[in-house]
Amino acid sequence: EAGVAQSPRYKIIEKRQSVAFWCNPISGHATLYWYQQILGQGPKLLIQFQNNGVVDDSQLPKDRFSAERLKGVDSTLKIQPAKLEDSAVYLCASSLVTGNTGELFFGEGSRLTVL
Amino acid sequence: AQKITQTQPGMFVQEKEAVTLDCTYDTSDQSYGLFWYKQPSSGEMIFLIYQGSYDEQNATEGRYSLNFQKARKSANLVISASQLGDSAMYFCAMREYTGGFKTIFGAGTRLFVKA
Repeated sequence: EAGVAQSPRYKIIEKRQSVAFWCNPISGHATLYWYQQILGQGPKLLIQFQNNGVVDDSQLPKDRFSAERLKGVDSTLKIQPAKLEDSAVYLCASSLVTGNTGELFFGEGSRLTVL
Repeated sequence: AQKITQTQPGMFVQEKEAVTLDCTYDTSDQSYGLFWYKQPSSGEMIFLIYQGSYDEQNATEGRYSLNFQKARKSANLVISASQLGDSAMYFCAMREYTGGFKTIFGAGTRLFVKA
């Protein structure tokens, strides 16, 4: 079974530039998550999709971050314009819709450096 | 308010000894799930163990066990017979229903296993 795929693995940009990250979840997983993990901290949930609908985006900085999940499969997270504090690893995860027992399956992450 | 608290930023353990990583949580839900994930230096998040709020027995998975004390709202991870490969960040996480199942993470504990 293929895991969660993310790209690119690494990205270096200058502040005020834009960047996009792509995620393809495990086949059949209806729930998709984007987490931001700043160095030395735990992952922070940015947005959660159930199929192609947004379940939670309360911590997504909507003035600069946007995300979509077309057709309920893969997803794109965009940052425009980027700030220095956006330097982090962006983790995509997916899970089956089984309530509380649903563990998350993570991709390898996309490491963003903003200069 | 912190929903997941991991009070140990770093822990050292001698190889082959057991170690306990602390986690306390805060929720008003009656039904919730507790997870532990491991994040090696390579960056991927690996699911270790799950405990449901209604489970009466403590969860075990190989060398990992979860010491669940519901009244104290604690869910400590016990690793027995530590191995050098256990050196990593460990994150406690909780899945609760707040308009949709959401998984939130603690700040993590870095474990160092000494030879």
